[in-house]
Formats: sequence, structure tokens, C-alpha cells
Amino acid sequence: DTEVTQTPKHLVMGMTNKKSLKCEQHMGHRAMYWYKQKAKKPPELMFVYSYEKLSINESVPSRFSPECPNSSLLNLHLHALQPEDSALYLCASSQLTLGTGNTEAFFGQGTRLTVV
Amino acid sequence: AQTVTQSQPEMSVQEAETVTLSCTYDTSESDYYLFWYKQPPSRQMILVIRQEAYKQQNATENRFSVNFQKAAKSFSLKISDSQLGDAAMYFCAYRSWSGNTGKLIFGQGTTLQVKP
Repeated sequence: DTEVTQTPKHLVMGMTNKKSLKCEQHMGHRAMYWYKQKAKKPPELMFVYSYEKLSINESVPSRFSPECPNSSLLNLHLHALQPEDSALYLCASSQLTLGTGNTEAFFGQGTRLTVV
Repeated sequence: AQTVTQSQPEMSVQEAETVTLSCTYDTSESDYYLFWYKQPPSRQMILVIRQEAYKQQNATENRFSVNFQKAAKSFSLKISDSQLGDAAMYFCAYRSWSGNTGKLIFGQGTTLQVKP
């Protein structure tokens, strides 16, 4: 199984709503990532979890709250978002043990988020 | 800090012909990994090809090959016998050998159009 599964695929939420994005992988990867991507731009790193601990927070506003309940799951909790937060949110995972030949990140299909 | 530069925002190629996408990077590290990812309109990021910096031999995957010039810090992607399904945005990405996050640094991307 070389898949990263993200749900939901599409999400429309109001600025006062609370919602969560979910991500799951069963490849035994010990690093998981959240990226935000605007149209025609590269993904921007938001958070990195290494061994289920938050290792990078790229100065993301507190209205985005990540959670890593276990080594297979990654959530992104959303609250009081702004219209400019509308984007594609990508989850990815990768191995942390280098030299194994499998050093690439695997990406999910993303959640298209629209904030109204 | 490492940076990745893709200087061609858009490229086009005739079906069945060959096209080369450019990527340069800047790093002070001697060991690292380089990747080309493809992102079609379906939006999932898919690995096209990887290159380990310690390997002198250029990586190939079927119709895709790279020209890796370590001294020049250049990593171009050649697509041979282009197909309509190759139309996508292509991102060059860098991963450090060291560190415990597996963080990817992306270039700005090149949109490839394939003309029938």
C-alpha cells in the first residue's frame, strides 16, 4: 500500500465554522506533513511531524491546529478561517531512515478548501 | 539555506517530441536528494524520478531521464516521446541527507503543455 488518503476531497466552510482535515498512511513512514498550495504555485510547508512529534511549524496562524494521534494519522483542525485561507491542502508522508532507496515523499490527493 | 529555481514558468512540446525542463539549486551540503514531481490537473503530486547526489549516473525511468550536474548544481528533466498525459505542472524538489524531518524544498514549477 503506497497511498496517502485524505478526506474530505472538497470542503466549503464559513468563517465561524470548525472543521477537520484527515490524512492516513500505512507505509510505516515516521514523518508526515501538511502543505498549503495556491493555484499555479508550489506547495508551502505548514507543519512537519517526526515520530509523532511536531518538529516544524512554519509560523502558521493558530487558526490551523495540527494533531498526530498516532504514526498513521494526521489531522488539521480548522477554526475561524479567512477567505485567503482557501487553497488546496496536501498531506504527505516519507521515511526518515535515509539510504534505503525510498526517500521520496508520497502525497495525498489533497483537500480543496473554500472559505466563504 | 537551500533554494531551488525553475526558470521556465511554461513550456510546450509537440506530441512525440522531446522536451527538457530546467532546475538549478543552491546548497552547501555534499549529500542530498533531488526529485521531479508531476502534478496534473487532478492535483495529486506524483513522483517522476529521483536522484541521489552521491550517484554519478543519471537516473532514468522509462521516457524520463535527468541530467544531473553536481558541480553546476543543475538537475534538468528530459521527457522523450511526449504524450498528452504528460501535460501537468512539474516541480523540482530538494531533500537534505541530514536532518530529521525529510522536508522538501520546491522550485516554483513549470507548466508543461503537450500539443497534439
